[in-house]
Amino acid sequence: ETGVTQSPTHLIKTRGQQVTLRCSSQSGHNTVSWYQQALGQGPQFIFQYYREEENGRGNFPPRFSGLQFPNYSSELNVNALELDDSALYLCANGLAGTDTQYFGPGTRLTVL
Amino acid sequence: GESVGLHLPTLSVQEGDNSIINCAYSNSASDYFIWYKQESGKGPQFIIDIRSNMDKRQGQRVTVLLNKTVKHLSLQIAATQPGDSAVYFCAETPSGYSTLTFGKGTMLLVSP
Repeated sequence: ETGVTQSPTHLIKTRGQQVTLRCSSQSGHNTVSWYQQALGQGPQFIFQYYREEENGRGNFPPRFSGLQFPNYSSELNVNALELDDSALYLCANGLAGTDTQYFGPGTRLTVL
Repeated sequence: GESVGLHLPTLSVQEGDNSIINCAYSNSASDYFIWYKQESGKGPQFIIDIRSNMDKRQGQRVTVLLNKTVKHLSLQIAATQPGDSAVYFCAETPSGYSTLTFGKGTMLLVSP
């Protein structure tokens, strides 16, 4: 186990709604990255947070936003949900200055 | 854009066989590589990593080989067990960026 937890486990929303996903941080890990994994695909990098600021972003629109808190936990917010946002959302912890990332179990989001 | 790809989408082996999963990468700036195992309904689990200053690295029952000349990565699993059945992803990143790029994955099926 990585010590990274995510909540909720599953979530169902309708198109146009907003959603907030949460991730706890493994002790001592101060970076958090979010990935989107569509069914049958590899994870796609959304963004990374370090020192409570965005520290790199993938090819995702601004309606995907995030927060990192002083205890290194994090939130992913998605506004104006679209059907294609249905995916497994993964949080990964790391330590600044190193490259290894450890993943949580993910949140399965379904948009109807 | 540059991405990591896998040659074989599905690999079926018998219990006790050795398995080899291959991966090609295209980003010449990448110098850190990770193999992850993902079981159904779970997040990616770190297996083994390698940096570009190495050609080979061994873990418990697993070996990763890196051929920088042809931008090729492989994961060897010795004495494959049914519990090894999962999807395996290789991921790569330039050092210090922590933005992992994943391929689509290879499903390993181990028959008793």
